[in-house]
Amino acid sequence: SYELTQPSSVSVSPGQTARITCSGDVLAKKSARWFQQKPGQAPVLVIYKDSERPSGIPERFSGSSSGTTVTLTISGAQVEDDADYYCYSAADNNLGVFGGGTKLTVL
Amino acid sequence: QVQLVESGGGVVQPGRSLRLSCAASGFTFSTYGMHWVRQAPGKGLEWVALISYDGSNKYYADSVKGRFTISRDNSKNTLYLQMNSLRAEDTALYYCAKASLDPQYMDVWGKGTTVTVSS
Repeated sequence: SYELTQPSSVSVSPGQTARITCSGDVLAKKSARWFQQKPGQAPVLVIYKDSERPSGIPERFSGSSSGTTVTLTISGAQVEDDADYYCYSAADNNLGVFGGGTKLTVL
Repeated sequence: QVQLVESGGGVVQPGRSLRLSCAASGFTFSTYGMHWVRQAPGKGLEWVALISYDGSNKYYADSVKGRFTISRDNSKNTLYLQMNSLRAEDTALYYCAKASLDPQYMDVWGKGTTVTVSS
């Protein structure tokens, strides 16, 4: 089996930079996605292929990768960014895996 | 725009079966893989299954392998999840999600349908 490990919580004040990490051996070979989930809503893709941003996602969201760790960075976090964030990747056997999720608090 | 609407959830007793559906629109369904992902109450996301664009390849999480079957009907733009031998730990909100160009990954999600396994 394989796992992705995220911190359970991150807290920043509005305007500060939030960084959420995701670690796992699979990330050395496969790219990651990041999803944002607000209470009562379905997840939304905010970063794909480690660092690409889908259309409609604010520029303050960015991603990076180094070895077995990927990082989601929110530069100048806003109150509306308060949400759960999940990393996701897939192994060579086509089985998917999510990180445990990180609760980002912005206040 | 892409729309995914899940249905078929409900309350079911342990050991019984349930079939979920996901109606897709706004994209060429027959050219994309599809995923099921679930989320137990108050918990994180768990990947459940993936089916290729033509239904020829299917992959399952260990937690559901042998009990759940993913399938699709491209003539009806519909994805299915047949769930047998249900357990209390299968209680969750079940999402269907469209695969991206790389079928191992997903991009757009439906709003989900709730499955509760309880006696």
